[in-house]
Amino acid sequence: ETGVTQSPTHLIKTRGQQVTLRCSSQSGHNTVSWYQQALGQGPQFIFQYYREEENGRGNFPPRFSGLQFPNYSSELNVNALELDDSALYLCASSLSLDRATEKLFFGSGTQLSVL
Amino acid sequence: ELKVEQNPLFLSMQEGKNYTIYCNYSTTSDRLYWYRQDPGKSLESLFVLLSNGAVKQEGRLMASLDTKARLSTLHITAAVHDLSATYFCAVDRTNRDDKIIFGKGTRLHILP
Repeated sequence: ETGVTQSPTHLIKTRGQQVTLRCSSQSGHNTVSWYQQALGQGPQFIFQYYREEENGRGNFPPRFSGLQFPNYSSELNVNALELDDSALYLCASSLSLDRATEKLFFGSGTQLSVL
Repeated sequence: ELKVEQNPLFLSMQEGKNYTIYCNYSTTSDRLYWYRQDPGKSLESLFVLLSNGAVKQEGRLMASLDTKARLSTLHITAAVHDLSATYFCAVDRTNRDDKIIFGKGTRLHILP
C-alpha cells in the first residue's frame, strides 16, 4: 500500500454531467499529480499541485480543473463530461524536497465511465 | 515535444528465460522511471534512474540508463510467473515543469 487513497473507486456518469474525484496524499507529501489512463494506454499527465498552487499542466482542456487543500489532499473536477473521458484517473503524491530521489506514489485510481 | 516509446508492447515468454524491454525517449531528461502495473491495480514504482550509466537491480529485474543514446532497458532474468504485469517507463522533462511522460507500456505474460 502506498498510503495514497482515492475516492470513489468506480463512478458512472452521463455525457454533460460534472464529476469530482478525490485524493488523499501520503502523510507528509506536499505534491499531488493527476493522471488519466485510458484502457491499454500509459497514464497521461493532467496537472500537478504543489502547496495548493497549480505547478504544471498537460494537454487537457480547461474543463479539467483541480484543487489542493491545506492538508495537501486534492480534487479533480471535470465539467461537461464526454464519452472519451472514460478512463482510470490516478492520483500520485510525492515530497518535492529532493528531486533527485523523488518517487511518485500512486493511489488505486477511480474508474470513470461516461455513458 | 517529449515522446517515450517502449518496445515490445506485448511479450509472452516462458518461465526461466531472459528478456529485455526497451524504452527510447526523444529529448534530454533528468530522470527515468520504471513502474509496474497489475491488471486493475495502480502503479508500483520499481526504479528511478538519475544519471548516465545508472544501473539498478532488484530481484530478477535490472534497469539501466544511457542518456547519450536516450535509452533505458529493463532486463528480466530467469522470469517467473509472478512477474507477469504491464511495465511502464516514464521520463521527466529537463525544464523541470514536473511533467512526467509515460510510454504505452509493455504487457508481459510469463507462461508457467
